[in-house]
Amino acid sequence: AQSVTQPDARVTVSEGASLQLRCKYSYSATPYLFWYVQYPRQGLQLLLKYYSGDPVVQGVNGFEAEFSKSNSSFHLRKASVHWSDSAVYFCAVSRTGNYKYVFGAGTRLKVIA
Amino acid sequence: NAGVIQTPRHKVTGKGQEATLWCEPISGHSAVFWYRQTIVQGLEFLTYFRNQAPIDDSGMPKERFSAQMPNQSHSTLKIQSTQPQDSAVYLCASSTGGREVFFGKGTRLTVV
Repeated sequence: AQSVTQPDARVTVSEGASLQLRCKYSYSATPYLFWYVQYPRQGLQLLLKYYSGDPVVQGVNGFEAEFSKSNSSFHLRKASVHWSDSAVYFCAVSRTGNYKYVFGAGTRLKVIA
Repeated sequence: NAGVIQTPRHKVTGKGQEATLWCEPISGHSAVFWYRQTIVQGLEFLTYFRNQAPIDDSGMPKERFSAQMPNQSHSTLKIQSTQPQDSAVYLCASSTGGREVFFGKGTRLTVV
């Protein structure tokens, strides 16, 4: 069965600092990969997705993620965070032939001044 | 585009009562998904429809939970005889049929 691990439940970074949120998945083939963000009392919003091709994908608001098949990872990065990036970030996967998502537990990001 | 609309946003039910949650997908979207979000279990898939037909309900609890999509414009998730452990945020999402889905803001169900 598929599984997604986000090893960091909470991350605190200073405004303007760089960010990496980690995601590892367990699946025998290459899955379809997603990062979503959830702001308080809101639904999930898509940041970026990876289906195939260039392992580095660009998303909204300066986010990017890099797929690594050898490491079964899909880490999210941002060069310079802003206080408004404070939210919960979820990594998700879906597999060929099935459109449902399996989510990681989420990483709560806090950006401090 | 108002996005995926879920009503009500908050619902409080007494233990043993029925709860019906509504979802209006984005116009033109052919797939609707339901997920449940709790602190303990995180985000869990419940069920999904494509062109109103049920495709995968592998995440639905076998008892008390049911979902329907009677037309293209709405889907319902019904929980009979609600229990405290059903308290959660229920998220509806829709898509054009591809893998990118758009989520509603959710319905927070509290069973007292």
